Amino acid sequence: AQSVAQPEDQVNVAEGNPLTVKCTYSVSGNPYLFWYVQYPNRGLQFLLKYITGDNLVKGSYGFEAEFNKSQTSFHLKKPSALVSDSALYFCAVRPPFTGGGNKLTFGTGTQLKVEL
Amino acid sequence: ETGVTQSPTHLIKTRGQQVTLRCSSQSGHNTVSWYQQALGQGPQFIFQYYREEENGRGNFPPRFSGLQFPNYSSELNVNALELDDSALYLCASSLATGLAGSTDTQYFGPGTRLTVL
Repeated sequence: AQSVAQPEDQVNVAEGNPLTVKCTYSVSGNPYLFWYVQYPNRGLQFLLKYITGDNLVKGSYGFEAEFNKSQTSFHLKKPSALVSDSALYFCAVRPPFTGGGNKLTFGTGTQLKVEL
Repeated sequence: ETGVTQSPTHLIKTRGQQVTLRCSSQSGHNTVSWYQQALGQGPQFIFQYYREEENGRGNFPPRFSGLQFPNYSSELNVNALELDDSALYLCASSLATGLAGSTDTQYFGPGTRLTVL
């Protein structure tokens, strides 16, 4: 069974500083990894995904994520944080071959707070 | 914003009642997945529908059931509601190629907030 860990419930960063939101995963085989963001009273918005290829994946709104197979990690990063980035971030994983179905397993989420 | 819509936005029911939640998938998508997000937790997979058939199910009891229609919209039905069913119910649509290892991305709707009293 696959699982995702987001070790930090909350991350605080000053606007303009770089941010990192951590994610580690466990899955059989090569993983498909995703990051989603959730604003209050909203659904999840897709940010980026890793399927294969370059370990650095670029996504929406200036976000990127680094896949590290040896550390089974997929940390979300942004070079310069904005106050508007403040939201709840979810990492998700699914195995590549499910025999049908596309079940995403999510972490518990990390609340990002960007302050002036 | 994605093209996934859900109705209603909010719903209040009492224990033991039944509820139906609706989802319209994004244009061109053929697969709908449903998730339950309890307060302070990540979404939990309920089930997925592909070509009008259930195509994968999470650890939810049979009183959670669903349908997918020929236009790929979907319904989630929950019978005999319990207090613990109070949650945000999220629908996600995607375009599955039908091949093992499909890399399709799921796009989520805004959710339906269900409160069971």
